[in-house]
Amino acid sequence: ILNVEQSPQSLHVQEGDSTNFTCSFPSSNFYALHWYRWETAKSPEALFVMTLNGDEKKKGRISATLNTKEGYSYLYIKGSQPEDSATYLCAFRNSGYALNFGKGTSLLVTP
Amino acid sequence: DGGITQSPKYLFRKEGQNVTLSCEQNLNHDAMYWYRQDPGQGLRLIYYSQIVNDFQKGDIAEGYSVSREKKESFPLTVTSAQKNPTAFYLCASSGDIFGNTIYFGEGSWLTVV
Repeated sequence: ILNVEQSPQSLHVQEGDSTNFTCSFPSSNFYALHWYRWETAKSPEALFVMTLNGDEKKKGRISATLNTKEGYSYLYIKGSQPEDSATYLCAFRNSGYALNFGKGTSLLVTP
Repeated sequence: DGGITQSPKYLFRKEGQNVTLSCEQNLNHDAMYWYRQDPGQGLRLIYYSQIVNDFQKGDIAEGYSVSREKKESFPLTVTSAQKNPTAFYLCASSGDIFGNTIYFGEGSWLTVV
């Protein structure tokens, strides 16, 4: 099992604030880095799959960057809204077949 | 609608009984997976299947068994040999095993008393 660390564990922001989370993963044998959003009582939903060092991806107000050489990825949310409240998971894959998940960052956005 | 259906959503069983969790997908995906989540832990891989009639152990396969007789179905049996079966179980699928986006079901809660 490969160690994937996410920080912070939880975050509480006000509506309109911008925020970011970190995912750290082993930098050797990198294949892909996934981000998922998991709302309570729903299925985890894919946000991004990133494969190249320096990748930047954007989906609406959410964006992510990837640094495979140093083993980290950042997820940014611009102008947080209450509907952004969820747990954000990152998952790392090396040359094997399994995705290794972090424990997630739980985000609460209050009006 | 295309997606992954897990059943039942909640299941209670007595210790020592085997229990089977159902997972069906209509996404025409080749690869399917079972994950387990415990409080304070990340998702951990139990078993995965790349194609029909093939499956491989994940990180925590002991006490579990699976089958893949049809492309759309990947049931998980939690046997009495699983020492700590109470957990949340997630089924997932992807186009192939090589890093495509993974799609998840809504999960099944298993409580063993």
